[in-house]
Amino acid sequence: NAGVTQTPKFQVLKTGQSMTLQCAQDMNHEYMSWYRQDPGMGLRLIHYSVGAGITDQGEVPNGYNVSRSTTEDFPLRLLSAAPSQTSVYFCASSYSPGFGYTFGSGTRLTVV
Amino acid sequence: RKEVEQDPGPFNVPEGATVAFNCTYSNSASQSFFWYRQDCRKEPKLLMSVYSSGNEDGRFTAQLNRASQYISLLIRDSKLSDSATYLCVVISPGGGADGLTFGKGTHLIIQP
Repeated sequence: NAGVTQTPKFQVLKTGQSMTLQCAQDMNHEYMSWYRQDPGMGLRLIHYSVGAGITDQGEVPNGYNVSRSTTEDFPLRLLSAAPSQTSVYFCASSYSPGFGYTFGSGTRLTVV
Repeated sequence: RKEVEQDPGPFNVPEGATVAFNCTYSNSASQSFFWYRQDCRKEPKLLMSVYSSGNEDGRFTAQLNRASQYISLLIRDSKLSDSATYLCVVISPGGGADGLTFGKGTHLIIQP
């Protein structure tokens, strides 16, 4: 049982480049979320989904897009990378928020 | 007042000692509470839920004080492997995927 799988683990982008962070879970969870974690800021919600075809914005959605075409996959797309998007990105999934979330191992992104 | 507050520490504790730390929350109608553990450069992992009556899991005890709006985590007989950052999570009324608020974490160092 793989849980939540994120790829890549590390990425360096140049300002203005776009890329997609991949997230897949094999637990048949309806709830999936993307967070970013910055020093001194804690985890902040970027986008979330409550099921296939349903997505919504979180606290810090600007500069990011998501889609949820299947229950398993929830990719996060950076449209035009900026240095302010240098961060650690975590994908998480849950059967229900009241049961807690399982996190992927994270993607460390540096934008230069 | 911030929504979820934690003492960032670090708490330096000798191996075998008992340590406790709190997390305060501002929304009195908050529904669910969790403690997560995060090791350096790793993803957060669910440690335990916090129930109204308090709950215990081995050396770990979690308690909720609704009157004073805080949750606590007590670790008995601390081990070197307990060194980590402990995040509290509070779910706001409605309990949706966007209702999770993470504290910034308390850094615990167990010293031999």
